[in-house]
Amino acid sequence: IAGITQAPTSQILAAGRRMTLRCTQDMRHNAMYWYRQDLGLGLRLIHYSNTAGTTGKGEVPDGYSVSRANTDDFPLTLASAVPSQTSVYFCASSDRVDTGELFFGEGSRLTVL
Amino acid sequence: GQNIDQPTEMTATEGAIVQINCTYQTSGFNGLFWYQQHAGEAPTFLSYNVLDGLEEKGRFSSFLSRSKGYSYLLLKELQMKDSASYLCAVRDGDYKLSFGAGTTVTVRA
Repeated sequence: IAGITQAPTSQILAAGRRMTLRCTQDMRHNAMYWYRQDLGLGLRLIHYSNTAGTTGKGEVPDGYSVSRANTDDFPLTLASAVPSQTSVYFCASSDRVDTGELFFGEGSRLTVL
Repeated sequence: GQNIDQPTEMTATEGAIVQINCTYQTSGFNGLFWYQQHAGEAPTFLSYNVLDGLEEKGRFSSFLSRSKGYSYLLLKELQMKDSASYLCAVRDGDYKLSFGAGTTVTVRA
């Protein structure tokens, strides 16, 4: 039982580089989310997708982009990484947008130097 | 955005009871969630309230008052493994889930 798989687990990246964090779920959930977690700030929503083919902006979308070409995959791209994007990134999914609980991946720790 | 407040830290003794309060202000309301997160791990679902009242699940209970914008998570018979961060999260009118900063609970022997 895989659930949600994120890759890479950890990455150190030079500022200005492009980076894609991968997220795949095998639960056929409609909704998927990307959060970043920073000490003292909790989880903040970056982007979300209520169903394949649609995406929306969360609380902190600047500097990030997403795509949802199919149900299972929801990659997060940093076009030109900056040090303030150093964080732990969590991908999550939910079977229902209105009532479903979120299931989280194990997280991707990104350090931008 | 949403405004979700919860205490930063709480400490309790093994076997005791701890209550973690959460207050919120949102544009629309579609449910309140509590998650547990151990250090270095992903958050895991604990409870969900959408109607007023108490939801009990084993040693954990969660209460909601929508009119007051208030919830609490009650942890009974505390065990050392309950040492973790507890996250209050609110689903707004657009169905987006926003999280509070979390309450770190330390259980002492």
